Amino acid sequence: QVQLVESGGGLVEPGGSLRLSCAASGFTFSHYYMSWIRQAPGKGLEWVSYIINSGGTTYYADSVKGRFTISRDNAKNSLYLQMNSLRAEDTAVYFCARLRGLLAAPYYFDYWGQGTQITVSS
Amino acid sequence: QSALTQPASVSGSPGQSITISCTGTSSDVGGYNYVSWYQQHPGKAPKLMIYDVSNRPSGVSNRFSGSKSGNTASLTISGLQAEDEADYYCSSYTSSSPLVFGGGTKLTVL
Repeated sequence: QVQLVESGGGLVEPGGSLRLSCAASGFTFSHYYMSWIRQAPGKGLEWVSYIINSGGTTYYADSVKGRFTISRDNAKNSLYLQMNSLRAEDTAVYFCARLRGLLAAPYYFDYWGQGTQITVSS
Repeated sequence: QSALTQPASVSGSPGQSITISCTGTSSDVGGYNYVSWYQQHPGKAPKLMIYDVSNRPSGVSNRFSGSKSGNTASLTISGLQAEDEADYYCSSYTSSSPLVFGGGTKLTVL
């Protein structure tokens, strides 16, 4: 069955960096778009970034553009999110999700990981 | 990109039907048939309930249905059960963002 397991979360100071990982199993990872979505404490879902199956095209929400970088290693069935210049408002649970899409357009998230907590605080 | 508009809360009694609305614009909900709905229980990951406006993934109860009229999409849950109590989020492809979520709706089963 499809499994997505995030790791790399933790406490980081403002301005710091963190790299999240998502290990995928149960499907042919290289065939699917992948995405990161976050949820601040007590708030709703916010799409952060996605990457197409080949890794050749990436998209970012305006709130993280220029600070976050999404990448993938299809040989390792892994998705990553490099987060730099972190701010207090980046504090959230970060979910990895499989994204169904076509021609680089995203449509819906059909499987989600359990999430990893990121806290940005001094 | 502004979030899609959902009511903050809805409620219903067991066995009843409820509908959650999701209002956007012609650049998202109204312009494309790529609206999806997610259920999230406290402390859990979201779960896909409806995709492409009205399609149910395998394993999702047929008590859940989706529709769209103009710039507003709707999720209807019939035969309400206690286990349906959760937060529900809509999402849509947009011509600008390219993805946007609604603010979420808390469903209470009375």
